[in-house]
Amino acid sequence: DADVTQTPRNRITKTGKRIMLECSQTKGHDRMYWYRQDPGLGLRLIYYSFDVKDINKGEISDGYSVSRQAQAKFSLSLESAIPNQTALYFCATSGTPAGGPHNEQFFGPGTRLTVL
Amino acid sequence: AQKVTQAQTEISVVEKEDVTLDCVYETRDTTYYLFWYKQPPSGELVFLIRRNSFDEQNEISGRYSWNFQKSTSSFNFTITASQVVDSAVYFCALSDDSGGGADGLTFGKGTHLIIQP
Repeated sequence: DADVTQTPRNRITKTGKRIMLECSQTKGHDRMYWYRQDPGLGLRLIYYSFDVKDINKGEISDGYSVSRQAQAKFSLSLESAIPNQTALYFCATSGTPAGGPHNEQFFGPGTRLTVL
Repeated sequence: AQKVTQAQTEISVVEKEDVTLDCVYETRDTTYYLFWYKQPPSGELVFLIRRNSFDEQNEISGRYSWNFQKSTSSFNFTITASQVVDSAVYFCALSDDSGGGADGLTFGKGTHLIIQP
């Protein structure tokens, strides 16, 4: 089974709808991240979380919110989706259960979101 | 602010040729980490290498090699004897170590590598 899973893998929605993307991990990592990828722009950080009680905005947080329901779960919400939020969204985790370097990130398979 | 530049948007070579992907970074931190990720057509992100700022030794892993030069703020990636399966988008990324590096990776825009048979 995959260590970092994302649901759904693909989603098509309409402008104005509320959308939630979910991420779960079995790696025991404390830190989790949400990125979006747009063609030709690479990946950009939306939000990140150090632990359940610590959530931080990334480079492009406007129009998004997150929830860290548990150490293993980190959800991304689009309260009112708009077409320019059409992108590939990645969840990532970092950290080791016993401590140590926190910089290597492990990515989920991605969620392709289309907003019409 | 951190910045990663991958000036080559797309590179196309014939199979078995050697190819180098360039990465130039900017950071004010003395402690930082550099990464390369591969994104094949299937879309997942595959971790290739991590290098910290105190280790300037070049690294070789099979047909892959990395050249880290702090003097030019570059971390270039070379594929020797390229194969069609190497076709992918390759991302260079940077993370500093303040707060344990928990503030995410800064990615370059990626280089699309096409290996023609």
